[in-house]
Amino acid sequence: EVQLVESGGGLVQPGRSLRLSCTGLGFTFGDYAINWFRRAPGEGLEWVSLIRREVFDATTEYAASVKGRFTISRDDSNAVAYLQLHSLKTDDTGVYHCAAGRIVGGVYEDYWGQGTLVTVSS
Amino acid sequence: DIQMTQFPSTLSASVGDRVTITCRASQNIFSWLAWYQQKPGKAPKLLMYKASTLESGVPSRFSGSGSGTEFTLTISGLQPDDFATYFCQQYNTFLRTFGQGTKVEVK
Repeated sequence: EVQLVESGGGLVQPGRSLRLSCTGLGFTFGDYAINWFRRAPGEGLEWVSLIRREVFDATTEYAASVKGRFTISRDDSNAVAYLQLHSLKTDDTGVYHCAAGRIVGGVYEDYWGQGTLVTVSS
Repeated sequence: DIQMTQFPSTLSASVGDRVTITCRASQNIFSWLAWYQQKPGKAPKLLMYKASTLESGVPSRFSGSGSGTEFTLTISGLQPDDFATYFCQQYNTFLRTFGQGTKVEVK
């Protein structure tokens, strides 16, 4: 069974940093792009960041709202992806989900974790 | 960014009902639309992709249609397990965007 498990969330003061982890189980982690999404309280889902597969040089993309503050990375040998959050703002509060996705032969696969809560507050 | 408008935000229905959820894109996304189901505290689950392709293992009472800018998700014969929140997502670009979600609740 495919599983994604996020960890690392918590309560943090504005301006501080946090590192989120996304561990994959039950599939070949390196065969998938990894996205991070978040949902602020009472809001819809927002895409945060993408890291492509190593065959595509693990290139990265970021939402404008987090560019320059967040860094995405991956360690396929340990089936884990990270999202490093720096200079946190209260607006960064929300549940952060990672998702592993790919399109192969026209079939779209997209597996999500249940999320980890980040609360930015003084 | 492509804006996704989803409605209704809440839908009250009974077991056995046929329900329809609509999603509109601010520009042509061809058929690059997915539908997800989410229950409280759980991971979103992919139901449908490429607008109308049912994900493996998803019951056939779920169906999707549309292309371009207007899409629908229909549940024909609502079951107790279907009371949940549904949202659409466009994946025409790497910058995925989502509808606000539709909560299907018991009438």
